[in-house]
Amino acid sequence: DSGVTQTPKHLITATGQRVTLRCSPRSGDLSVYWYQQSLDQGLQFLIQYYNGEERAKGNILERFSAQQFPDLHSELNLSSLELGDSALYFCASSVAGTLNTEAFFGQGTRLTVV
Amino acid sequence: QQQVKQSPQSLIVQKGGISIINCAYENTAFDYFPWYQQFPGKGPALLIAIRPDVSEKKEGRFTISFNKSAKQFSLHIMDSQPGDSATYFCAARHIGSARQLTFGSGTQLTVLP
Repeated sequence: DSGVTQTPKHLITATGQRVTLRCSPRSGDLSVYWYQQSLDQGLQFLIQYYNGEERAKGNILERFSAQQFPDLHSELNLSSLELGDSALYFCASSVAGTLNTEAFFGQGTRLTVV
Repeated sequence: QQQVKQSPQSLIVQKGGISIINCAYENTAFDYFPWYQQFPGKGPALLIAIRPDVSEKKEGRFTISFNKSAKQFSLHIMDSQPGDSATYFCAARHIGSARQLTFGSGTQLTVLP
């Protein structure tokens, strides 16, 4: 168990809908990263938050947004969903800012858009 | 733009054999190179990692070899076991405050009993 908790584990929704994925980082970790894993794209970095503030953006669509709350949990919001958004979404956490920071991944949320 | 290239895409090895997975990176702004192991239905889990000032790191049956001048690094799994069957990802961590990881495309390893 990595200590990173993601909910829900599975999500099935229709095209055009909006969903929210939740991530609780490991105790003491200030950074949260979101990754998308699809069969044809592998693991793609979406966005990172550090202590409540956005730190970096990757290949995140404008239909997607995220935030990190004062208790350090994070939510990834996906809207106007398309079939191609079906993927595994992973959250990872780390203590950023040192050379020996490791990123620990949650078990992911499998999103299926039908 | 793929900054970390991984090969092979899939690998089949006999039990007791050596599994070798290779990665090459294109961007020098990386300071840390981890390998992750992922089982079906699970998240990637850190397996072993190396910094660019070290040429080799060994942990049990797992060894990373790192060639800074060639911008290449590889994972060797000695005495491969059926329980090692999983998908392996190499990654490179960006220098700077974000520290995000860029992943290779993954290698699906199957170790035959």
